[in-house]
Amino acid sequence: IAGITQAPTSQILAAGRRMTLRCTQDMRHNAMYWYRQDLGLGLRLIHYSNTAGTTGKGEVPDGYSVSRANTDDFPLTLASAVPSQTSVYFCASASSASTDTQYFGPGTRLTVL
Amino acid sequence: QKEVEQNSGPLSVPEGAIASLNCTYSDRGSQSFFWYRQYSGKSPELIMFIYSNGDKEDGRFTAQLNKASQYVSLLIRDSQPSDSATYLCAVKKVTSGSRLTFGEGTQLTVNP
Repeated sequence: IAGITQAPTSQILAAGRRMTLRCTQDMRHNAMYWYRQDLGLGLRLIHYSNTAGTTGKGEVPDGYSVSRANTDDFPLTLASAVPSQTSVYFCASASSASTDTQYFGPGTRLTVL
Repeated sequence: QKEVEQNSGPLSVPEGAIASLNCTYSDRGSQSFFWYRQYSGKSPELIMFIYSNGDKEDGRFTAQLNKASQYVSLLIRDSQPSDSATYLCAVKKVTSGSRLTFGEGTQLTVNP
């Protein structure tokens, strides 16, 4: 079934630990995005990638890094998690950077203690 | 000033009524406007987009855009309990490539 998968579904993490959130899409979409969603703040863009091999910073990139080694995968890494990174994380993709429709994955609920 | 602003609600309407959701944006360079629906605990899904001034209709949904006043709205006719969700307004600017800026969302409850 075509779509976006994210893993894990949820995670509780101790502060200071390293964590990688995984995102995989099988739609051969060129553009991918990572958002975090917090109550009262809506969806905020963390990092994005317009095509494999390129990445860019979004609105709230600090404390996060991404890589885009191939078209399908776009992992998000928290090098040293802090409690303020407790959030729901959504990965999204679009067929190209000029395409308007973004499709969202099911999300990862992350709690940093 | 936030780039994209929505009334957080909650907005409550009776079944069968028209629900009106509003969104304002600050950047006049914004070119594309989107409405996403998000059910509790789920991911956002696109329901409509609009590029040009005026109305765009899709079934029970109508998006309205007024670039001079910098607002975009979503009307839901014949509201159903299944329309109860949070509605997110998103804007794409000419200078931001493919990136979207989202509002906080408006929570809508349709009462049977």
